[in-house]
Amino acid sequence: NAGVTQTPKFQVLKTGQSMTLQCAQDMNHNSMYWYRQDPGMGLRLIYYSASEGTTDKGEVPNGYNVSRLNKREFSLRLESAAPSQTSVYFCASSERTGGAFHEQYFGPGTRLTVT
Amino acid sequence: AQSVTQLGSHVSVSEGALVLLRCNYSSSVPPYLFWYVQYPNQGLQLLLKYTSAATLVKGINGFEAEFKKSETSFHLTKPSAHMSDAAEYFCAVSRPGANNLFFGTGTRLTVIP
Repeated sequence: NAGVTQTPKFQVLKTGQSMTLQCAQDMNHNSMYWYRQDPGMGLRLIYYSASEGTTDKGEVPNGYNVSRLNKREFSLRLESAAPSQTSVYFCASSERTGGAFHEQYFGPGTRLTVT
Repeated sequence: AQSVTQLGSHVSVSEGALVLLRCNYSSSVPPYLFWYVQYPNQGLQLLLKYTSAATLVKGINGFEAEFKKSETSFHLTKPSAHMSDAAEYFCAVSRPGANNLFFGTGTRLTVIP
């Protein structure tokens, strides 16, 4: 079991470039999440997918789009990168949303720098 | 709305000393509470969770936390710190029926030899 995997591990973009962060889980989880982590701000939810075929905005969705490709994969796209999107991005999954089932499993993260 | 406040962005303890990391929550309904640990350059790993069963919850690596409704707290403790405990710790809250977790801003634990 690989758990939650993310690619790439590191990325440098120029302002205005686009890219897609990939995430996959092999735990047969229904729910998946994208967070960004910035110093002193903890983790902030960008988007989540409660189940295959659904996606919803989180706390900081502006400048991002997501696709739940299938039950395993959940991608995050930056259409036109900005320096404010420099961050570490984490993907997570859980059995489903709601209460005790919110035990989330995290990937190793993608460190993104936008110059 | 749910939220958590972690008091102290940095905590230093000597090896072998008590570890106490503070978390206070705000929730209009009985919450579910979690502690996660993040080692350098890694993702978050669940330490323990409170899901309305026993108020004293034991987790991995000798950590435990006590849910105190009267104090709206869920502090994380470990009797004796080990060098390998140096990491960042996050408290998080959810509530029944909610679709996401709300994380605190984290506490970085340093263990002094």
